[in-house]
Amino acid sequence: SQQGEEDPQALSIQEGENATMNCSYKTSINNLQWYRQNSGRGLVHLILIRSNEREKHSGRLRVTLDTSKKSSSLLITASRAADTASYFCATAGYNQGGKLIFGQGTELSVKP
Amino acid sequence: EPEVTQTPSHQVTQMGQEVILRCVPISNHLYFYWYRQILGQKVEFLVSFYNNEISEKSEIFDDQFSVERPDGSNFTLKIRSTKLEDSAMYFCASSEALTGMKEGYTFGSGTRLTVV
Repeated sequence: SQQGEEDPQALSIQEGENATMNCSYKTSINNLQWYRQNSGRGLVHLILIRSNEREKHSGRLRVTLDTSKKSSSLLITASRAADTASYFCATAGYNQGGKLIFGQGTELSVKP
Repeated sequence: EPEVTQTPSHQVTQMGQEVILRCVPISNHLYFYWYRQILGQKVEFLVSFYNNEISEKSEIFDDQFSVERPDGSNFTLKIRSTKLEDSAMYFCASSEALTGMKEGYTFGSGTRLTVV
C-alpha cells in the first residue's frame, strides 16, 4: 500500500455514535496530520501529532499514533450530521521541504 | 481567523494555453505550497517554497510549471501549456513552521481548473 492509506474508505454511522478512521504509512515521519474536506471544498486542518507523541485530544477528536506499527487512528466521539465529510491523514517527513503525503481518505456519512 | 485566499475559484482554459493561479497566503507564514487533487483521487504535493526559492518539488512539477512570489503577499502557480490531464482542483497552502509543526497547514478553498 502507499504512504498514508486510510481505512475504511467509507463509513456510515448514526448521529451520536463514534467514528474511528485508521491510517497507515510506510516511511519515518516528523508528524502526522488529519484534515477534513467537505465535498468540493478546501482542506481544513484538524489535529497534528508529533512522532514522539502517542495520543492527542482536541474537543471531540482523539488521535493516536503508533510509530512501531506506522499507523494512526482518528476517533470522532458523539458524531453529528455536520461531521459528514472526507477525512484524510497526511504525513510530513524529515528533510522533505515540508511536503505532506496524503492518503486516499475516508468518506464519513453521519445520518441524523 | 486568518485565511489563505485563492483566485479564481474556477478557470476554464483551452489546451495549450497558459494559466496563472493566484494565492494570498497568511501574512506571517513563511512556507508556501501548491497541491492538486484530480477528481476522485488523493491530494498530491506539487511544490514547496521558502525564502524565495523552491524547497522541494514532485515529479508532477515538471518544466511546464513554475511558482513565483512576485511581491510580499501573492504566491502564484503558472502552468505554461496546459494539457487535458492538468484538469484538477489546485490548492495553495501556507504554514508558519516547516512541516506545519506549530499548527498544521492552512489551505485555501482551491481553484478548479478545467482544460478543454
